[in-house]
Amino acid sequence: AQSVTQLDSQVPVFEEAPVELRCNYSSSVSVYLFWYVQYPNQGLQLLLKYLSGSTLVKGINGFEAEFNKSQTSFHLRKPSVHISDTAEYFCAVTPMNTGFQKLVFGTGTRLLVSP
Amino acid sequence: GAGVSQSPRYKVAKRGQDVALRCDPISGHVSLFWYQQALGQGPEFLTYFQNEAQLDKSGLPSDRFFAERPEGSVSTLKIQRTQQEDSAVYLCASSLDSGHQPQHFGDGTRLSIL
Repeated sequence: AQSVTQLDSQVPVFEEAPVELRCNYSSSVSVYLFWYVQYPNQGLQLLLKYLSGSTLVKGINGFEAEFNKSQTSFHLRKPSVHISDTAEYFCAVTPMNTGFQKLVFGTGTRLLVSP
Repeated sequence: GAGVSQSPRYKVAKRGQDVALRCDPISGHVSLFWYQQALGQGPEFLTYFQNEAQLDKSGLPSDRFFAERPEGSVSTLKIQRTQQEDSAVYLCASSLDSGHQPQHFGDGTRLSIL
């Protein structure tokens, strides 16, 4: 089975400051990794994914994440945040051997960007 | 529409009633997923369809939950004899195939059981 831990339930940050949202996972098999964003009363939107290759992955809206296999982490970063980045962010994994994306999500991190 | 459409957006039901939640996936998408998102939590997988075949229903919490996709397009999630712990947002997602294509999520149905 897989589990995802997002230690920070809420991260306050000022506009134009950098931010890092942490994600750690546990799995007995290899996994693919994802970050999703959820705006209020909306569904989830894919920010980026790691399937293979370079461990530094770039996504939409200026976000990037780095896969660290030894630390089983997939932290999300943005060098300069905007007010519009205020949202809930979810890290997710899916085992490589299921044949489809059976996503396992963390509990989410609420990013609060203030002026 | 271009995206995944779910209806109704909000549903209030009394404990013990049956409810049906509808999902219209993106046209041509083979795979369809249902997730349950409790308040303040991440979504949890319920079930997966490839076309009309339900290939995984391991996440359905009890036999009160039933999902179908009879023609490989629209899907319905039915909950019988609802209980208060069923209150949650139910998200539907679809993807082009069963491999690595991204899942596209609908805006969800918020179910409140009184």
